[in-house]
Amino acid sequence: GAVVSQHPSRVICKSGTSVKIECRSLDFQATTMFWYRQFPKQSLMLMATSNEGSKATYEQGVEKDKFLINHASLTLSTLTVTSAHPEDSSFYICSARDEGGNTEAFFGQGTRLTVV
Amino acid sequence: GQNIDQPTEMTATEGAIVQINCTYQTSGFNGLFWYQQHAGEAPTFLSYNVLDGLEEKGRFSSFLSRSKGYSYLLLKELQMKDSASYLCAVRGRYNQGGKLIFGQGTELSVKP
Repeated sequence: GAVVSQHPSRVICKSGTSVKIECRSLDFQATTMFWYRQFPKQSLMLMATSNEGSKATYEQGVEKDKFLINHASLTLSTLTVTSAHPEDSSFYICSARDEGGNTEAFFGQGTRLTVV
Repeated sequence: GQNIDQPTEMTATEGAIVQINCTYQTSGFNGLFWYQQHAGEAPTFLSYNVLDGLEEKGRFSSFLSRSKGYSYLLLKELQMKDSASYLCAVRGRYNQGGKLIFGQGTELSVKP
C-alpha cells in the first residue's frame, strides 16, 4: 500500500524557536497533502490543505504566519511552526491521497512536538 | 458547515459485537471513512463508504445511509487489541479540496 513518511517523530524545542516537520509520499505523487493537529484525548483537527506549487489553504482560526506550509514537489510538504510556544505542544499528523486512484488518505506517523 | 457526531466512549466485552454510530451534516459529501487510532500513533484506515449500504471486510463492517446522514462501524468477535479510538471522517467534494473532516472519535474499551 501507499506509504507516507513523516519526520521527525518526536521533537523538543525551546520557546521562541522554529521547528520544521516533513511529510513525504514515498511511492506515489500527491498534489494535495493535509496537516492535522491533535491534542490529547481529542480528534484530529484540520489545520491546512497543502497544494503543490501554490499557497496552502488554511482553516479558520489557524495562523498562516505561524504555521508555514511549503509544498515544493509532488512528494514533499513541510510544516514549520515558527516562534513556538508551549501551547503549540501537540501531535501533528500529515496525510496524502494517492491521486492515481486510491480513495483512502494515508497518514504519516505523526510528530510529537513539545515546546519547553 | 460541518458537524460530525459520534459517542465519546463505549465499553464492550471480548468476543462480543459492538456498533459505533456516526451522524453527519456537511455541505459537501464525497465519502465517509472509518479509522482506528491507538494512543500516540497515526490513524489506520478501516473502511470507506460512498454509496448506501454495507461494506464488509473481515471482522469489520461499515454501513452508510446518505439520506439520513448516518453511518456505523460494526466490530465482530472483539479482541483486546481492538481497544482504541475509532474516528469517523467525511470527505468533502474535490473542488473543496477533498479534505477529511473528523468526528471527535469514540474511545472503545474491550474488557475480558
